[in-house]
Formats: sequence, C-alpha cells, structure tokens
Amino acid sequence: QVQLVQSGAEVKKPGASVKVSCKASGYTFTSYGISWVRQAPGQGLEWMGWISGNNGNTNYAQKLQGRVTMTTVTSTSTAYMELRSLRSDDTAVFYCARAPRTTIRGPLDYWGQGTRVTVSS
Amino acid sequence: DIVMTQSPDSLAVSLGERATINCKSSQSVLYTSNNKNYLAWYQQKPGQPPKLLIYWASTRESGVPDRFSGSGSGTDFTLTISSLQAEDVAVYYCQQYYNTPITFGQGTRLEIK
Repeated sequence: QVQLVQSGAEVKKPGASVKVSCKASGYTFTSYGISWVRQAPGQGLEWMGWISGNNGNTNYAQKLQGRVTMTTVTSTSTAYMELRSLRSDDTAVFYCARAPRTTIRGPLDYWGQGTRVTVSS
Repeated sequence: DIVMTQSPDSLAVSLGERATINCKSSQSVLYTSNNKNYLAWYQQKPGQPPKLLIYWASTRESGVPDRFSGSGSGTDFTLTISSLQAEDVAVYYCQQYYNTPITFGQGTRLEIK
C-alpha cells in the first residue's frame, strides 16, 4: 500500500532552517511527484510547491521563493523540504502528498502524516 | 492567484440528511481542450492529514463511499453528502490545480445537528 512517512516534530528558533523528510513506499517513486502543503494552527491548507520524483524539476509558491528548497533522493524514495530564515508565522504542520510526475495539475491522492514545526524564541 | 471561496464556513446537518458545500473559483478551472475541471475535494478530520474524496470535480476516489458526490463546472462547484453519517464530521476543502499556485478554499466545518 502507498505510504508517505514523514520525519518527526521540530522546534526551531527564528532565523534557523528546518529540513523535513518524506519517505515513500508502495509505489514507484520516480513515476510521481511530491507536493508540500502546510497548515498553520487552526488554519487552512497552503500549497508550498512541487517536485518531480523523476527529474527533480520544481515549482515553488512565489511567496516562498528564495526561502524554500525541495529535493529528492531517488535511491531511497525520499523527498525533502527545507525552509530557511524561519519566522514565527512559519509555525505549522507540514505535509507531503503524492502528486503527478510531470506537472502540478493533478490531485494529491496520498498524504504523509504531517510534521509539526514550531518556531519560537 | 485563483481564489477559492467556500460557503458556508460551517454547517450543521442531522444524521441521514443531505449536506451541501459550495465552492466558487475566481476564474474558470475548466480546461477546454480536454473538458476537465481541475478541481478536487478533500476531507480532513481532527489530527489527521487531508484525504482526497473527489477529483476532476466529479470523479470519486477509490474507496470513497458513494454518498459523496461532486458537481459543477467552470467556476461553481458543489460537494454533496447524500445521507450524513457520524463519521463524516470533518472540515472539507476544495482545491484548484488548474494553475500555479495551487490554492485551497478556506474550509467548511461540518457538524451533526
């Protein structure tokens, strides 16, 4: 069965960076992409960006450009999302979700369990 | 950016009754070359990740009960739960994947009356 297993909760200080991992199993990693979505406490869903599992092509939300980097390691079927220069309003649960391989233009059919990132001094 | 607006923000429906959630996009998400609406619906229960219910506006994801249905085209969409069950209590989100950035509605909280 398809599974996306994310790394554990993190607490970071303002200005620091966080790197969240998402290990995929149960499907061919390079046949799909991964989108990252975050959810601030009590708030809705915000798409952060997408990465192809095949060639590493990315598409980032413009508001995060310059602060976010998404990567993959195909040998371990793992996707990573790094967010830099953290601020208190980056406090959220971060989700990875399976996406189409070549485009953002498709539904997100499997989701990781979420990783809580708390930014606090 | 395409803005997705859901109505209502919250909804209380009796068990066995119909629940209807609306979603309006600020521009059409219908791709005319393939006649597909790039619109999905998700269900999120407390402490859980979202779960895909409906995609292409009206295609039910495998394993989703048939009491869930999606309809609409262009800019106006509806998620209908034909006979509300206790396990349907959740927040529901619409999402457009027509254009980047992908955007979600603000969510509709569904409760039992």
